[in-house]
Amino acid sequence: DVKVTQSSRYLVKRTGEKVFLECVQDMDHENMFWYRQDPGLGLRLIYFSYDVKMKEKGDIPEGYSVSREKKERFSLILESASTNQTSMYLCASSLQIDSYGYTFGSGTRLTVV
Amino acid sequence: SQKIEQNSEALNIQEGKTATLTCNYTNYSPAYLQWYRQDPGRGPVFLLLIRENEKEKRKERLKVTFDTTLKQSLFHITASQPADSATYLCALRGMRFGAGTRLTVKP
Repeated sequence: DVKVTQSSRYLVKRTGEKVFLECVQDMDHENMFWYRQDPGLGLRLIYFSYDVKMKEKGDIPEGYSVSREKKERFSLILESASTNQTSMYLCASSLQIDSYGYTFGSGTRLTVV
Repeated sequence: SQKIEQNSEALNIQEGKTATLTCNYTNYSPAYLQWYRQDPGRGPVFLLLIRENEKEKRKERLKVTFDTTLKQSLFHITASQPADSATYLCALRGMRFGAGTRLTVKP
């Protein structure tokens, strides 16, 4: 089975801290995605990557950046965490952007205090 | 702007009945649409994908339809079971998700 692993289930960070969320997939997928999920708003796409060192903005990239130095790893970076970035963060991967389902990690619940 | 809406926040049904969930979209012509299941505190799990040239797709007790004229997809679970209780999400090409419908199947 494809596995997408997110490094932390729960994180508590202080306002202004730089935060790294890590995601690793083990199935050689080309495409990786970062979403945040908030009650009533559903999943919203932050960034995605279709190849190593390539990235594309999603619907809500402000306040975030990403890094993909290796095919299996996609990192989400909060440059200066703010309380409105408290959320559930979900990583996903897919063999192709089109035509396949996405495999999600279990999520990281980030609280910024 | 592109919108995707699941018009029921919650749906309660009796065990054994068919659950029908609706997904509507606007200002978009997706090549395909996906459905996912999400349990509390977990990531979504992919269930089915239906392409624009497919009217219907089935997988065991699940059935999805796709009407590009109405801009709507219906997701059916037949002979529902309490274990089917979860939140179900539709997604346009994995890029834009609906807020989900929380299904509760009562014994």
